[in-house]
Amino acid sequence: DAKTTQPTSMDCAEGRAANLPCNHSTISGNEYVYWYRQIHSQGPQYIIHGLKNNETNEMASLIITEDRKSSTLILPHATLRDTAVYYCIVRVFSGGYNKLIFGAGTRLAVHP
Amino acid sequence: KAGVTQTPRYLIKTRGQQVTLSCSPISGHRSVSWYQQTPGQGLQFLFEYFSETQRNKGNFPGRFSGRQFSNSRSEMNVSTLELGDSALYLCASSPTGGGEYEQYFGPGTRLTVT
Repeated sequence: DAKTTQPTSMDCAEGRAANLPCNHSTISGNEYVYWYRQIHSQGPQYIIHGLKNNETNEMASLIITEDRKSSTLILPHATLRDTAVYYCIVRVFSGGYNKLIFGAGTRLAVHP
Repeated sequence: KAGVTQTPRYLIKTRGQQVTLSCSPISGHRSVSWYQQTPGQGLQFLFEYFSETQRNKGNFPGRFSGRQFSNSRSEMNVSTLELGDSALYLCASSPTGGGEYEQYFGPGTRLTVT
């Protein structure tokens, strides 16, 4: 699985959009971009995933560049409850294995 | 639908002892993966079980083992505990063996080795 690079920490004001970048320059054609988050001492929570098209769900939007070498997770209206560590993961989307390789992630702090 | 449950939530053991942790996946899920989280190493993959068979294993010593039962519940065992085994142990379940489904994590078991 390809490696990812994320900023160590970010701040965001409550109510504003939080844009979390991720670099995955060695991503392969059959690898998807997944985002999870972990609120303090809880299990990681799935947010969203995508291959090459932009994706949106009730939690967030995922923007993937055309060359697929980077992506941005967007939380449109951040709340204090969005304070967490956000992990960007690339993984092969083929059958057989459920193995996630977590990096250090981005620690997002949402402040009033 | 109930989420992934892990028992116990907290555990204190002494060096040299062994420990067994339990994970009950979401109903209908057949894949269970285990992860270790420490402040120094972050989240690391231990192993994955699907239909009672271990399909994938991370880079951990043989003291770490697991198994899965016919009802998909899984246990992991750590023998001869070391101080460095103190960690949050997380399990995650997924509907099938394929990577097309996201994994759902439990709350974890916090193990402290003294």
